[in-house]
Amino acid sequence: AQKVTQAQTEISVVEKEDVTLDCVYETRDTTYYLFWYKQPPSGELVFLIRRNSFDEQNEISGRYSWNFQKSTSSFNFTITASQVVDSAVYFCALEDSSYKLIFGSGTRLLVRP
Amino acid sequence: DAMVIQNPRYQVTQFGKPVTLSCSQTLNHNVMYWYQQKSSQAPKLLFHYYDKDFNNEADTPDNFQSRRPNTSFCFLDIRSPGLGDAAMYLCATSRDWEGPLQHFGDGTRLSIL
Repeated sequence: AQKVTQAQTEISVVEKEDVTLDCVYETRDTTYYLFWYKQPPSGELVFLIRRNSFDEQNEISGRYSWNFQKSTSSFNFTITASQVVDSAVYFCALEDSSYKLIFGSGTRLLVRP
Repeated sequence: DAMVIQNPRYQVTQFGKPVTLSCSQTLNHNVMYWYQQKSSQAPKLLFHYYDKDFNNEADTPDNFQSRRPNTSFCFLDIRSPGLGDAAMYLCATSRDWEGPLQHFGDGTRLSIL
């Protein structure tokens, strides 16, 4: 069965600290996609990244970076030099060939000034 | 520029009074989804349309129905809302031949009085 685990329920950091959000997934499919979404207090889901199972290259986008490791079934997300505007709930998700997104339970990030 | 539009952003209805939430898209995507997200939880897929084919999740209550009269529009009908149906409802679309990437609307937050 497909499953996404985000073990960190809530993380609190001080502005400018680096923070890593963990994501571990389970799937029997060899082809799948992994995602990260940000959900600010206003409620909309903001797409951050998509990664397919054949592409294990790490990715950096500004202050955001992602580390995909198939050997440990992990897709971790790091925010460098965090800012107050990064405060949100972050969801990791898995999509397989059934076109369904399976979300983790989310990690609430609070960045304090 | 909004591509997946959900109206209204906030909806209040009375216990037991039918309510309809709407979603429209300008992306010409063939797959449309409805998710329910309760407070502090991950979004949960209720059903999706693959073209005109309706796919209901096994645990979606019978109280929830959906209609897709054409490619651009999809409706979520709650026949007799209970207090437990208060949630954020998210609509998403995707185009299957582009690989999985769901575009989310901003959501409708439903309150039950």
